[in-house]
Amino acid sequence: NAGVTQTPKFQVLKTGQSMTLQCAQDMNHNSMYWYRQDPGMGLRLIYYSASEGTTDKGEVPNGYNVSRLNKREFSLRLESAAPSQTSVYFCASTRRGVSDRVVADTQYFGPGTRLTVL
Amino acid sequence: SQQGEEDPQALSIQEGENATMNCSYKTSINNLQWYRQNSGRGLVHLILIRSNEREKHSGRLRVTLDTSKKSSSLLITASRAADTASYFCASYSGGGADGLTFGKGTHLIIQP
Repeated sequence: NAGVTQTPKFQVLKTGQSMTLQCAQDMNHNSMYWYRQDPGMGLRLIYYSASEGTTDKGEVPNGYNVSRLNKREFSLRLESAAPSQTSVYFCASTRRGVSDRVVADTQYFGPGTRLTVL
Repeated sequence: SQQGEEDPQALSIQEGENATMNCSYKTSINNLQWYRQNSGRGLVHLILIRSNEREKHSGRLRVTLDTSKKSSSLLITASRAADTASYFCASYSGGGADGLTFGKGTHLIIQP
């Protein structure tokens, strides 16, 4: 049981390049999330998926797209990377789904992807 | 925008002492959670307290919640060097976004 896994762990991009961050969970969780963490800041929600087949914008979605490929996998894509997207990206999952919107469960986090855009 | 604000931003104490961190939030919440982050690692859930609860314990952790003041505190008793980490509060409002709203964190250093 690996929990939440993310690939890659580190990535350096040039401005304008694209890339996809991968996330997978093996806990049969319904909801998955992408956050970014900048120095001196807490985590900010980029996108989330309350269940397979649905995605919604979070606090800072501009410049990103997501795909909930199946129940296990949730990817984050940067189509044209900018220096402002230099950050550490965390994927998380939780058991609750779209039918359980009243209470948010504990979130389980991956180890993060450290992205630098030059 | 960030909802939570932790206080203090950094805290350094001697091993064995108690550490107290505070968190304030701006809007009504359904529950509030505390997470720990070791340097260069992901976040690990510590404890969740619901809006109708006032205090909760888990091992050496004690969390309080005051919804009238929109604040919470995390107390770590008998601190250990392994408790050195950043601690974040995260609130869930139960609104449209299912994600958590995190504070900026308190960096705790336990001196051996």
